[in-house]
Amino acid sequence: EPEVTQTPSHQVTQMGQEVILRCVPISNHLYFYWYRQILGQKVEFLVSFYNNEISEKSEIFDDQFSVERPDGSNFTLKIRSTKLEDSAMYFCASGADLTDTQYFGPGTRLTVL
Amino acid sequence: AQSVSQHNHHVILSEAASLELGCNYSYGGTVNLFWYVQYPGQHLQLLLKYFSGDPLVKGIKGFEAEFIKSKFSFNLRKPSVQWSDTAEYFCAVKFRAGTASKLTFGTGTRLQVTL
Repeated sequence: EPEVTQTPSHQVTQMGQEVILRCVPISNHLYFYWYRQILGQKVEFLVSFYNNEISEKSEIFDDQFSVERPDGSNFTLKIRSTKLEDSAMYFCASGADLTDTQYFGPGTRLTVL
Repeated sequence: AQSVSQHNHHVILSEAASLELGCNYSYGGTVNLFWYVQYPGQHLQLLLKYFSGDPLVKGIKGFEAEFIKSKFSFNLRKPSVQWSDTAEYFCAVKFRAGTASKLTFGTGTRLQVTL
C-alpha cells in the first residue's frame, strides 16, 4: 500500500537556522498539506498546496515558512529562521482530490535549541 | 468560528469494555468527518470517515462512528476494546466551504486499555 514518507525523522537545529523538512506524497495525489503538533497540543493545519501553488494557509504560516514542490515527487517545508516555539512534530499529508481522505506521513520531530 | 472538540482527554478501560469517544464540531454547513488513530511511535492512520449517506459508518479494527447532524456529533464506538487499541484518537473535520480542504483536529483522546 502506498505511503507518505518524510525525512528526516528527527531534526535538531539551533535557533535562527534554516531547516528544510522533506516529504514524498503518494504518487498519484494532487493535494499536499503540512500540519504540526506541538507537544501536548492538537494537530494544527499549516498550509495546503495544489497545482504548484498554496491554496490555503493558516495564520501560523507566516513569512518564515515556505513550501515547494521542487520535482515530481518531493514536497518540502522550509523554515527560514527557526524559533524555539517552532519545536514540534511536523506532518505531511496528501490526498487525491479536494474531498479525499488525507493520508499522513510518520512526521518529523523538529527540536530547536 | 469553526472548531472541533473532544471532551474525553484520557480514558482508561479494561479489556472487553465498551468504548465511546465523543466528538462535536461547530459549523452549520456541510462537513466531512474523520477519526484518525495514532499508535505509540507510529503516524496518524485513518480509522473511518463519513462523507454522506448512511450516518453509521464502520471502520477498521471493529470501530464504528455515528454522525448525528442535529447534535453536530460524530462519536466513535467499539463494543469490546483490546489491549492493542491503546493509542491516541483524533477526530478531524473538513468544513466544506469553497475550495477549503484543510482538516481541523480535536485535541485528541488518549485511550489506555488495561489487561
